[in-house]
Amino acid sequence: NAGVTQTPKFQVLKTGQSMTLQCAQDMNHEYMSWYRQDPGMGLRLIHYSVGAGITDQGEVPNGYNVSRSTTEDFPLRLLSAAPSQTSVYFCASSQAGAVEAFFGQGTRLTVV
Amino acid sequence: AQSVTQLGSHVSVSEGALVLLRCNYSSSVPPYLFWYVQYPNQGLQLLLKYTSAATLVKGINGFEAEFKKSETSFHLTKPSAHMSDAAEYFCAVTHNTGGFKTIFGAGTRLFVKA
Repeated sequence: NAGVTQTPKFQVLKTGQSMTLQCAQDMNHEYMSWYRQDPGMGLRLIHYSVGAGITDQGEVPNGYNVSRSTTEDFPLRLLSAAPSQTSVYFCASSQAGAVEAFFGQGTRLTVV
Repeated sequence: AQSVTQLGSHVSVSEGALVLLRCNYSSSVPPYLFWYVQYPNQGLQLLLKYTSAATLVKGINGFEAEFKKSETSFHLTKPSAHMSDAAEYFCAVTHNTGGFKTIFGAGTRLFVKA
């Protein structure tokens, strides 16, 4: 049972490059979300989705895009990476009607 | 608006001593409250959750937390620390079912001394 799978685990980008962080879950959860974790700031919500075709912004959405074409996948796109986007990114999923989220192992992104 | 404050970014205890990690929350509606643990280079794992049933909640690895509405607190305790408890702990709050708008505290790193 894989749960929530994130790829890649590590990535280094140059300023201005684009990339997509992948997230897939095999638990048939309706809700998926992306967080970034920065020292001393906990986890902050970037974008979330309550089902296929439905996405919305969280606390810190600027510089990121998402889409949700299937229940399983929720990719996060950085169109033009900036050093301020250096962070650890976590994808999470949860079941409708439940309260807790299940987290992936994280993607450590460095923008130079 | 919801918010979470964790008192102390670092806590150090001796092995066998009491662990107390403090969390205060702010919520305009009855909250759901959580403690998550993060081991180095790993994702977050749910320790325990409060969902308006019993105010004393027991979790995994011997941890428990007590919801105190009058104090807006949800402190995490463990009677006897073990070396394997060394990790970062996050308190979190949500009022939505689904967990997608969970608000996290800044985290408390627990050090356990031999």
